[in-house]
Amino acid sequence: DGGITQSPKYLFRKEGQNVTLSCEQNLNHDAMYWYRQDPGQGLRLIYYSQIVNDFQKGDIAEGYSVSREKKESFPLTVTSAQKNPTAFYLCASALRTGGNEQFFGPGTRLTVL
Amino acid sequence: ILNVEQSPQSLHVQEGDSTNFTCSFPSSNFYALHWYRWETAKSPEALFVMTLNGDEKKKGRISATLNTKEGYSYLYIKGSQPEDSATYLCAFTGFQKLVFGTGTRLLVSP
Repeated sequence: DGGITQSPKYLFRKEGQNVTLSCEQNLNHDAMYWYRQDPGQGLRLIYYSQIVNDFQKGDIAEGYSVSREKKESFPLTVTSAQKNPTAFYLCASALRTGGNEQFFGPGTRLTVL
Repeated sequence: ILNVEQSPQSLHVQEGDSTNFTCSFPSSNFYALHWYRWETAKSPEALFVMTLNGDEKKKGRISATLNTKEGYSYLYIKGSQPEDSATYLCAFTGFQKLVFGTGTRLLVSP
């Protein structure tokens, strides 16, 4: 089955530790995205990638880093520099950036203790 | 940062009622307007991607209209059913990235 997967579903980390969230897709999509959701707010874009080996900052990139070494994978690292890392993180992919619909993974809920 | 606004924030209707929500977005540099449905414990799923002013799209009992000149889109649900309960998100794109509204949370009671 084609789709987009994220792991783990729940993640707990101690304050000051870096943590990497996984996102994999087998839809052969060029574009991939990371969003963050906080209570009462819409999805906010962290980083996006139009193609392999390319990525761009979104609206709230500070404290996060990404890589896009393979078309299928777009991992997100939440660094210790991110001041409020506890949130729900959604990964998405699309055929291309622009007007194409995005397909979302199931999300990872990160809690920093 | 672009601003996309949705109203109402939440809505509670009875089964069989028809309802509609509004999405307001910048009218300049428009490329596309997306609607997504996000059910609890599931991933958001695309309902419509609309690009042309005056566009109307329909999927079953759900339909949407688009006015790019004044910067708004309406989502209509005819004869709401309990399975329509979800958060409905709209998102605006100028080209490369989507900017999401905060969503309208719909609850349909049997």
